[in-house]
Amino acid sequence: DTGVSQNPRHKITKRGQNVTFRCDPISEHNRLYWYRQTLGQGPEFLTYFQNEAQLEKSRLLSDRFSAERPKGSFSTLEIQRTEQGDSAMYLCASSFLPGELFFGEGSRLTVL
Amino acid sequence: QKEVEQNSGPLSVPEGAIASLNCTYSDRGSQSFFWYRQYSGKSPELIMFIYSNGDKEDGRFTAQLNKASQYVSLLIRDSQPSDSATYLCAVNVISGGYQKVTFGTGTKLQVIP
Repeated sequence: DTGVSQNPRHKITKRGQNVTFRCDPISEHNRLYWYRQTLGQGPEFLTYFQNEAQLEKSRLLSDRFSAERPKGSFSTLEIQRTEQGDSAMYLCASSFLPGELFFGEGSRLTVL
Repeated sequence: QKEVEQNSGPLSVPEGAIASLNCTYSDRGSQSFFWYRQYSGKSPELIMFIYSNGDKEDGRFTAQLNKASQYVSLLIRDSQPSDSATYLCAVNVISGGYQKVTFGTGTKLQVIP
């Protein structure tokens, strides 16, 4: 399968712990996006990479969130000092053309 | 004002009818427009995109764009129960080095057999 791959698929953690999610995009896609989605809401933009450069980051994102895309390949999203409000589905998407996103299956975070 | 607005629904239509889904956006710098379908418990999947004013047809789906009114719509002809899902409108804004794809909250469509 050559689609977008996300790991882990599920993560349960205690409040205050750090968590990291990984995304492997479709190999020929140079654009990579992270979104967060909660029940009944649309995907909320977190950040965008073009190759290895992080070109955009949501102003809604606190300093506890950080993302990297070393060498323009896979990407990681780290959440430090997790809070219960961070519980959500974290979606990664990649694209070749702007806006034509291919999503992974998501990583569901539950913060106890 | 939200960047992308959709009626959350649910929109219920009988099987075989036309379903009409609407979306408005606030940023006049928006350049391209997309419709994604999201089944319950699944990730969004791209079903249509439109870049220019007017209509674009693909099978049973027609996307319509009116940039002057900042309005995008999706028509689904001969609706099937398998079309029951949440439909997300997305807008791409590119300005200099800035690019962002913003989604609406989605409209839940129910096709009644």
